[in-house]
Amino acid sequence: SAVISQKPSRDICQRGTSLTIQCQVDSQVTMMFWYRQQPGQSLTLIATANQGSEATYESGFVIDKFPISRPNLTFSTLTVSNMSPEDSSIYLCSVVSAGGLRKHNEQFFGPGTRLTVL
Amino acid sequence: AQSVTQLDSQVPVFEEAPVELRCNYSSSVSVYLFWYVQYPNQGLQLLLKYLSGSTLVKGINGFEAEFNKSQTSFHLRKPSVHISDTAEYFCAVIYLGFQKLVFGTGTRLLVSP
Repeated sequence: SAVISQKPSRDICQRGTSLTIQCQVDSQVTMMFWYRQQPGQSLTLIATANQGSEATYESGFVIDKFPISRPNLTFSTLTVSNMSPEDSSIYLCSVVSAGGLRKHNEQFFGPGTRLTVL
Repeated sequence: AQSVTQLDSQVPVFEEAPVELRCNYSSSVSVYLFWYVQYPNQGLQLLLKYLSGSTLVKGINGFEAEFNKSQTSFHLRKPSVHISDTAEYFCAVIYLGFQKLVFGTGTRLLVSP
């Protein structure tokens, strides 16, 4: 299994500011994802963080709003830019170990970062 | 469109009673199916998964689920719940050919004494 830590665990931010969330994994993983879980809703995939190249964003999410870095196989950051109250959510990092999803490996989730934008 | 439906947003149940949490997915093509649990202020933890083979899958904490291809369902069951089972439960699906988990909206299981 993979142990995932996220920083910060929670934050309260002012409108118009930006927050960078860190995701650290205790082992090298092939795939890293960022999800958003809005209040009372399901998890929505924001993007796949690719090591050494630009992230792959899902429909409705753009790099200018959610820039992502993945400098190595164990670390990624997600920045929520120019925040508004609508960005208040839990942001979760997720990883898949060797083999990827097509090899049926389990997808592990971090504890999440609870963001409140005032 | 690929989607997962959890019809029950909240399921209240008494301790030691049986429970079933419903999950339906949108397509009859080949899928992998998962149930995750999220305890308060924690990340998601895998309960069980169906990839192939026996349609009855047993997971952790006494939970099990049955894959029904004709009804495109993957309902989660437990014969006797505990207070500690109070959590949010998410059904998720991988549609073969797509390397992405699609999540349902979640069901909050509330177990009371």
